[in-house]
Amino acid sequence: GAGVSQSPSNKVTEKGKDVELRCDPISGHTALYWYRQSLGQGLEFLIYFQGNSAPDKSGLPSDRFSAERTGGSVSTLTIQRTQQEDSAVYLCASSLNGGSQETQYFGPGTRLLVL
Amino acid sequence: GENVEQHPSTLSVQEGDSAVIKCTYSDSASNYFPWYKQELGKGPQLIIDIRSNVGEKKDQRIAVTLNKTAKHFSLHITETQPEDSAVYFCAPRGVTGGGNKLTFGTGTQLKVEL
Repeated sequence: GAGVSQSPSNKVTEKGKDVELRCDPISGHTALYWYRQSLGQGLEFLIYFQGNSAPDKSGLPSDRFSAERTGGSVSTLTIQRTQQEDSAVYLCASSLNGGSQETQYFGPGTRLLVL
Repeated sequence: GENVEQHPSTLSVQEGDSAVIKCTYSDSASNYFPWYKQELGKGPQLIIDIRSNVGEKKDQRIAVTLNKTAKHFSLHITETQPEDSAVYFCAPRGVTGGGNKLTFGTGTQLKVEL
């Protein structure tokens, strides 16, 4: 079946603009994760959704970052008033039930460049 | 949270040689130890994982060994091939502070030379 998909694949924006990044998880997966991959910073956790539970937002770097997951499926990560340091690859992953030993399946990422 | 260190940061081997990458972690309660491979322009993909009730797992040319006492686990690739060239990440799953998010190592750039 289809894997995790993300759109857009690339996004160039100007400093101060808002951006929305989309993630379509694997069908039937109840857990969804966002990570950020920056040069020299590695992969860092941003936010986690599991079913109808309150999301774990502990990794969001500032209040300019927010995410929603509508209908338990598609998720949107929004960055307001983008800054140059937001330039990174934003990766989405999903897993079946969010168990701690479950495989997380990653999408191809959205490459964000803030000019 | 989990502190993760990965060594080496870069590794260059000749085709057919073996490669070993080591990951150390801090959370003694960690119970799941995956390795991900990331090719250029793609997201990380799981290649092998091990759970804390076993010490070693093998899948064809790839193996993972776990030493819970010393809090480290290693990725072993034998008979390396050019298509093994990629960045490899360990991501031990800690339990303290929430066991759902992955804490990634800093990555190892593996280059397999002809």
